[in-house]
Amino acid sequence: SQQGEEDPQALSIQEGENATMNCSYKTSINNLQWYRQNSGRGLVHLILIRSNEREKHSGRLRVTLDTSKKSSSLLITASRAADTASYFCATAPDDKIIFGKGTRLHILP
Amino acid sequence: GAGVSQSPSNKVTEKGKDVELRCDPISGHTALYWYRQRLGQGLEFLIYFQGNSAPDKSGLPSDRFSAERTGESVSTLTIQRTQQEDSAVYLCASGIGASSYNEQFFGPGTRLTVL
Repeated sequence: SQQGEEDPQALSIQEGENATMNCSYKTSINNLQWYRQNSGRGLVHLILIRSNEREKHSGRLRVTLDTSKKSSSLLITASRAADTASYFCATAPDDKIIFGKGTRLHILP
Repeated sequence: GAGVSQSPSNKVTEKGKDVELRCDPISGHTALYWYRQRLGQGLEFLIYFQGNSAPDKSGLPSDRFSAERTGESVSTLTIQRTQQEDSAVYLCASGIGASSYNEQFFGPGTRLTVL
């Protein structure tokens, strides 16, 4: 079964709006990572948040982590057309990094 | 420096043939992962190499799948007697260490089509 599950599966928003994606996981973790995938090929690492951190920022990205609820959220502010992609959360409870099924984000012009 | 490279970028083969996919990780990266991604789906873990330790093969879907890694360099994923269900993008990733603590860098993938 999947360690991480993203929600929603798909999201369409207007350019300029904020996009929020959520991730739930099952076991204890050292860190949680978010990746982006364009056009079904290689993934790009976005941000890593450690288990002792609650929030982290990187440019227009904001990630939160709630270890008590085993959940994380990724917020993209002021979305752009180039943000259209699939977003995956990933955890590695035993060094075997496991991805969720992803959220497909579509930014409408 | 160079990122993770994979070859070929695309491979079309006939059902029943064997294929070999190659991954060149970033120099110095001890961790190497193979994933499979079917169209519109998430990433499916296949195998994990970490330094000179025995690889974690728990994700390989059948005995038709095998992978090798030479030291801390190139890795090859071999699929024998390919089936149409093997059609997918095969992604390789490497990292400076275990993914529990480190980000992974992905290659562009090999798109395999089995006719």
